[in-house]
Amino acid sequence: GENVEQHPSTLSVQEGDSAVIKCTYSDSASNYFPWYKQELGKGPQLIIDIRSNVGEKKDQRIAVTLNKTAKHFSLHITETQPEDSAVYFCALKGDSSYKLIFGSGTRLLVRP
Amino acid sequence: GAGVSQTPSNKVTEKGKYVELRCDPISGHTALYWYRQSLGQGPEFLIYFQGTGAADDSGLPNDRFFAVRPEGSVSTLKIQRTERGDSAVYLCASSLLGSDTDTQYFGPGTRLTVL
Repeated sequence: GENVEQHPSTLSVQEGDSAVIKCTYSDSASNYFPWYKQELGKGPQLIIDIRSNVGEKKDQRIAVTLNKTAKHFSLHITETQPEDSAVYFCALKGDSSYKLIFGSGTRLLVRP
Repeated sequence: GAGVSQTPSNKVTEKGKYVELRCDPISGHTALYWYRQSLGQGPEFLIYFQGTGAADDSGLPNDRFFAVRPEGSVSTLKIQRTERGDSAVYLCASSLLGSDTDTQYFGPGTRLTVL
């Protein structure tokens, strides 16, 4: 079945620096790539998503890039703030599929 | 507006008991999903409803797990003869139409502990 690998598993950055999380996948039919932020004791919250006909999408300090040829997509957070500290999950859906396949998560710590 | 809600937020039970977990999706959302999240891992798909019917239950681990959505809104995940390995956070999500690019919105989850 479809698999998605996420790196790094933990990331510690200084406040104001940028953070980058990368995911790779194997099924070329995947066409939808959301990113979720999960805080302790809460459910995953969608922060940004990208569809396969787009290479890059930006929303304020958050951006996602997609390289369908290389089968990887990345989350970029600029000017990080302590409240960005959380676990981030990449996910994807395959063609004609309804279920999300999640990566294993990245624990981001932003040091004040 | 109100998001996805789940009850209870925490459930502690003994091995062998029966449990029911409830999900109230966002009003008007036709698609509903159940996922299970073990400690330190990403959510794993269990079952997907389009309206009242289970369109895909391929993620249910075995026949002790069952879910219903009788009126196309609220859903209940039922686990019989619980085992310690069932301990996890059970997440519910809903989306407007259930299309392959539909955004899924998650609830806060129910933390199930089987002693």
